[in-house]
Amino acid sequence: EDQVTQSPEALRLQEGESSSLNCSYTVSGLRGLFWYRQDPGKGPEFLFTLYSAGEEKEKERLKATLTKKESFLHITAPKPEDSATYLCAVQDPGTYKYIFGTGTRLKVLA
Amino acid sequence: NAGVMQNPRHLVRRRGQEARLRCSPMKGHSHVYWYRQLPEEGLKFMVYLQKENIIDESGMPKERFSAEFPKEGPSILRIQQVVRGDSAAYFCASSEGSGTEAFFGQGTRLTVV
Repeated sequence: EDQVTQSPEALRLQEGESSSLNCSYTVSGLRGLFWYRQDPGKGPEFLFTLYSAGEEKEKERLKATLTKKESFLHITAPKPEDSATYLCAVQDPGTYKYIFGTGTRLKVLA
Repeated sequence: NAGVMQNPRHLVRRRGQEARLRCSPMKGHSHVYWYRQLPEEGLKFMVYLQKENIIDESGMPKERFSAEFPKEGPSILRIQQVVRGDSAAYFCASSEGSGTEAFFGQGTRLTVV
């Protein structure tokens, strides 16, 4: 069965302390890997789509990269407003449903 | 361009009642997905629909749950004879097509008392 595993489950950073979140996946025939941000009580907010190994996308302090087995979300010099749960998902190659990991809860301290 | 609209945002039902959750996809999107989320847990897939068709309902309980996405109007997730265990946040997402990113609504928080 297709699986998406995210690590760490939770991460506390000081403001300005860069780090990376990991998303590993097992799916035959990747049709897309997606990163989302979710704030408490809100719906997930789309961040990036990656389709092929070696691809990179950037937005402000966030940069997503993709290899054949995993994706990283790099956070450079984070600020307290970056605190959220970050979710990654892949699409089932058969039915195109999105399969989500359980997320990384990021807390950035001022 | 309005985002994915879900209503109601909060819904309280007594055990045994019916809950109807509505989702209007983004303009131009014909693919709708429903997910369930419990506190501190991830998003669990329930059902994937295209206009008038259920594509994948592998995550939806066989009993009491049903979903539709008619030719006209919003997608509806219906839960009959609700039980306390149905209390959760239900999120709807829509996409333009297969292989593209999905955009989520703000969710409906169902509380069964």
